Amino acid sequence: KAGVTQTPRYLIKTRGQQVTLSCSPISGHRSVSWYQQTPGQGLQFLFEYFSETQRNKGNFPGRFSGRQFSNSRSEMNVSTLELGDSALYLCASSLVGGGNIDEQFFGPGTRLTVL
Amino acid sequence: AQTVTQSQPEMSVQEAETVTLSCTYDTSESDYYLFWYKQPPSRQMILVIRQEAYKQQNATENRFSVNFQKAAKSFSLKISDSQLGDAAMYFCAYRRMNRDDKIIFGKGTRLHILP
Repeated sequence: KAGVTQTPRYLIKTRGQQVTLSCSPISGHRSVSWYQQTPGQGLQFLFEYFSETQRNKGNFPGRFSGRQFSNSRSEMNVSTLELGDSALYLCASSLVGGGNIDEQFFGPGTRLTVL
Repeated sequence: AQTVTQSQPEMSVQEAETVTLSCTYDTSESDYYLFWYKQPPSRQMILVIRQEAYKQQNATENRFSVNFQKAAKSFSLKISDSQLGDAAMYFCAYRRMNRDDKIIFGKGTRLHILP
């Protein structure tokens, strides 16, 4: 069974631009969560999607948004990029999420660099 | 708000020796999960071990075991017979049970294995 995939793996953007990152969960998984990983702040929760609905949201500005499609694939979008948005963005998928005992599986991440 | 604290940013251990990574957490919830995740350099985050808060017995997975002290809100990871492949960043993490999939991570402990 294929694991969680994220595209692209690396991305370089300039301040003010916007970016879209994609996450394909493990087949059959319906819950997708996103995290931002930086050296200073560590891993921080962005949001969780289940059945195309955002189920939970972290403490990030409105420039960070996401969505989930009917096939459970998810995208996150960051508008008006700032230097501080440079980070590794990880997504994780699980069968049904919602704090269920299901294990969450992480993707390899997308490394975003903002210049 | 829930928090997870790892007080050891870096640790080193001789190959074949035993090492213990510390973690404390704070929560007012009674039902939750605790995890240790491993993130090798430039590789995916993987789950090492999981503990359900309602279980008194400490979880074990081969060379990995935990010491879960619920009253003290402590959750340490012991790695026995350390191997070179154990070198990685280790994250202690918390997730509420039956609520949502938001994981709260500690800042991590970088573990070096000395040959």
